[in-house]
Amino acid sequence: DVEMTQSPLSLPVTLGQPASISCRSSQSLAHSDGNTYLNWFQQRPGQSPRRLVYRLSNRDSGVPDRFSGSGSGTDFTLKISRVEAEDLGIYYCMQGTHWPYTFGQGTKLEIK
Amino acid sequence: QVQLQESGPGLVKPSETLSLTCSVSGASIRDYYWSWIRQPPGKGLEFIGYLYDTVKTNYNPPLQSRVTISVDTSKNQFSLRLRSVTTADTAVYYCVREARGLGVWGQGTLVTVSS
Repeated sequence: DVEMTQSPLSLPVTLGQPASISCRSSQSLAHSDGNTYLNWFQQRPGQSPRRLVYRLSNRDSGVPDRFSGSGSGTDFTLKISRVEAEDLGIYYCMQGTHWPYTFGQGTKLEIK
Repeated sequence: QVQLQESGPGLVKPSETLSLTCSVSGASIRDYYWSWIRQPPGKGLEFIGYLYDTVKTNYNPPLQSRVTISVDTSKNQFSLRLRSVTTADTAVYYCVREARGLGVWGQGTLVTVSS
């Protein structure tokens, strides 16, 4: 299975400041069809996960533009340009290139 | 607007079968891939498997011998059956549209395995 490793696992942030979450995969996530199936999800307390970014860098409808996804191969990043209170929760990366599809351990974004 | 809603027993005895149904509104069950994901309390996310073309399935190998995902096109629903459950199967179970992308999630349902 492809192992997805996130860092940090806990991210204390100051509101209004930027934040960055890293996700590394044990194999390249570049698919033969030209896509990179790397997704980012946000899970607020008591809620189901919500997809923020799909196929590496495509933001879902309704997701604020302060969220951005980037990377290539085995190294990926989710950036929040200015953290707001509603951004608190756990963030997961997930690869959909190699079956079985797998998730990172999660990064807990919390107030410093 | 696509909506997914899980339903089924919240308590299952060890060695028995966990059965859940996902009701889909706003999209045809024939037109997408449909997945089941689970999350043990306080832990991360695990892919159980997915269904596509209404009859084809792909299951996570550790669960493959115990899992069946099926569809009822007349009701626009798909289902999960997990046999021979143990306490390790206690989790919130989510039904989700798509497989590679997991674009739309249900609210999830907690299933506890306990005698």
